[in-house]
Amino acid sequence: DAGITQSPRHKVTETGTPVTLRCHQTENHRYMYWYRQDPGHGLRLIHYSYGVKDTDKGEVSDGYSVSRSKTEDFLLTLESATSSQTSVYFCAISEEAGSTDTQYFGPGTRLTVL
Amino acid sequence: RKEVEQDPGPFNVPEGATVAFNCTYSNSASQSFFWYRQDCRKEPKLLMSVYSSGNEDGRFTAQLNRASQYISLLIRDSKLSDSATYLCVVNGDNQGGKLIFGQGTELSVKP
Repeated sequence: DAGITQSPRHKVTETGTPVTLRCHQTENHRYMYWYRQDPGHGLRLIHYSYGVKDTDKGEVSDGYSVSRSKTEDFLLTLESATSSQTSVYFCAISEEAGSTDTQYFGPGTRLTVL
Repeated sequence: RKEVEQDPGPFNVPEGATVAFNCTYSNSASQSFFWYRQDCRKEPKLLMSVYSSGNEDGRFTAQLNRASQYISLLIRDSKLSDSATYLCVVNGDNQGGKLIFGQGTELSVKP
């Protein structure tokens, strides 16, 4: 299995509080991604990174920010959590962004916003 | 219309059955296609890529029809361990490596 960890694995928080999720990889892959998975929607891309300090928005980026100060770490921040952000969050990595490259996923973080 | 659409599930089949999943995609410029498998409360994992000529990996066969923008996955001789959700995934050549996921089709193989 690819060396990807996510922390925390579970979190319960209250509306309006800031939350930061961490993705850590040991594969030295260039590309990292944050997705959320909700019933009826499948996986949707939030933000992605194509290098240190290089990030871009995905399909559902509103309410989220990211940072990547090191190759191995990609942080997802909810500045002020809302109940609509209750979801399962997956981090993924890939060596290249080429259309044939495989993305490897971390174990996920279950976030509940009350 | 969703970019990637899959058969609604769940599919409940007996061991040994053959089951087929279908998927359609809307972006005719899409270049790469995949099937991922996701076990309950786990992360998605690549099952197989889908090539234009069709490809087979053991009991699994994937087919692509570009003209109809249609992808299929056939599972022969179903095992209990095949129970999972199967995700159809498309990667457009102009989307910087971003993957578009279908909602998934749940398969339950019963003894």
